[in-house]
Amino acid sequence: QVQLQESGPGLVKPSQTLSLTCTVSGGSISSGGYYWSWIRQHPGKGLEWIGYIYYSGSTYYNPSLKSRVTISVDTSKNQFSLKLSSVTAADTAVYYCAGTRGYYDSSGYRNNWFDPWGQGTLVTVSS
Amino acid sequence: QSVLTQPPSVSAAPGQKVTISCSGSSSNIGNNYVSWYQQLPGTAPKLLIYENNKRPSGIPDRFSGSKSGTSATLGITGLQTGDEADYYCGTWDSSLSAGGEVFGTGTKVTVL
Repeated sequence: QVQLQESGPGLVKPSQTLSLTCTVSGGSISSGGYYWSWIRQHPGKGLEWIGYIYYSGSTYYNPSLKSRVTISVDTSKNQFSLKLSSVTAADTAVYYCAGTRGYYDSSGYRNNWFDPWGQGTLVTVSS
Repeated sequence: QSVLTQPPSVSAAPGQKVTISCSGSSSNIGNNYVSWYQQLPGTAPKLLIYENNKRPSGIPDRFSGSKSGTSATLGITGLQTGDEADYYCGTWDSSLSAGGEVFGTGTKVTVL
């Protein structure tokens, strides 16, 4: 059974780059069938999808964050990573990584779902 | 702000039924599939429903999903105290401005 675990600094200074890593266990990140996503949740708020990557390196980002986000994959370590640049206090959130199933059906409808999820890691942006 | 609207809260007594609506538009729910997630207090979200109405292995049939037009609904029957959580809908949005996965505003379920 695939499991995910986020890791990285819990405190980042304003204007710096937030860097997180998600380690995948119980399965290969290269096995196909999954995209690998980052999702965040501001304190007391709802979920915000940041973006995802396929093991081949193809990425898709939330347009509202695209200019500051880079998601990369390291298949040798079975990990994928998030970098968010020029952070401000508004980037303080719990960051989750998640396995993602996604495909277009014969009618062109997108079918996406997130399972499993990591436990999440709180990142605070403060000086 | 989210493009998918959910009621902030719903409540019912144990054993009763609740429904949670998720309202969107033709660029998201109307032309894509919907999934639902349960987030128990202090934990990560968990997949409840995918492909509008399918349940992953291990999710009891007390949870059901449906979609009609630009809205989706999550139903929970036989409500239990362990169902107290926040629930989110999610879908793909094909518009240029919001393109990508979008989530609902979230609904808190309270068991009276």
